[in-house]
Amino acid sequence: DAKTTQPPSMDCAEGRAANLPCNHSTISGNEYVYWYRQIHSQGPQYIIHGLKNNETNEMASLIITEDRKSSTLILPHATLRDTAVYYCIVRVQGGSEKLVFGKGTKLTVNP
Amino acid sequence: GAGVSQSPRYKVTKRGQDVALRCDPISGHVSLYWYRQALGQGPEFLTYFNYEAQQDKSGLPNDRFSAERPEGSISTLTIQRTEQRDSAMYRCASSRELAGAYEQYFGPGTRLTVT
Repeated sequence: DAKTTQPPSMDCAEGRAANLPCNHSTISGNEYVYWYRQIHSQGPQYIIHGLKNNETNEMASLIITEDRKSSTLILPHATLRDTAVYYCIVRVQGGSEKLVFGKGTKLTVNP
Repeated sequence: GAGVSQSPRYKVTKRGQDVALRCDPISGHVSLYWYRQALGQGPEFLTYFNYEAQQDKSGLPNDRFSAERPEGSISTLTIQRTEQRDSAMYRCASSRELAGAYEQYFGPGTRLTVT
């Protein structure tokens, strides 16, 4: 079973920041937080990952709380093309290689 | 460059027939994964390979499902005696590193329909 909890859906206005929350209260010390997204019927796409420090790349920022029990993915300026299902996944680095997907959050960016 | 490719993209088969789904990973990627995705659900892990060695097949639902990657490149997922409940999108992914790789690149999937 997925070890994360996400809201089933969220809406965001185009051009505004989208903040997607994820709870992972049972995360272990050696588990990373990963985010993938799936646009329509395409395959999932990697976005970002982190252990305990905040991370930023060209797609998004990842904010992890100090106790690591929750995190937030931030899309700073959402566009219509960011409409997708966003999956938060916890995974041991160097352990089993599988990704365990939950149901994710369906983000709809509105014009 | 070329991404992960899968064939066929769509497969309709009758119950009881065997099917073989093919995955061609990104060149040079050493790890290859198979997932299955039902409508409205996230992908569900089936099995994965490092090079030609099958590392984890814990997600294969029963012994009708098998996978191979004989030369450490192309992989085939075979479903014998298909049943209607096998209908789903089957997705393949690859990654360039061994343990510790963080990014899996997914293919477009094969939509399997068992009638």
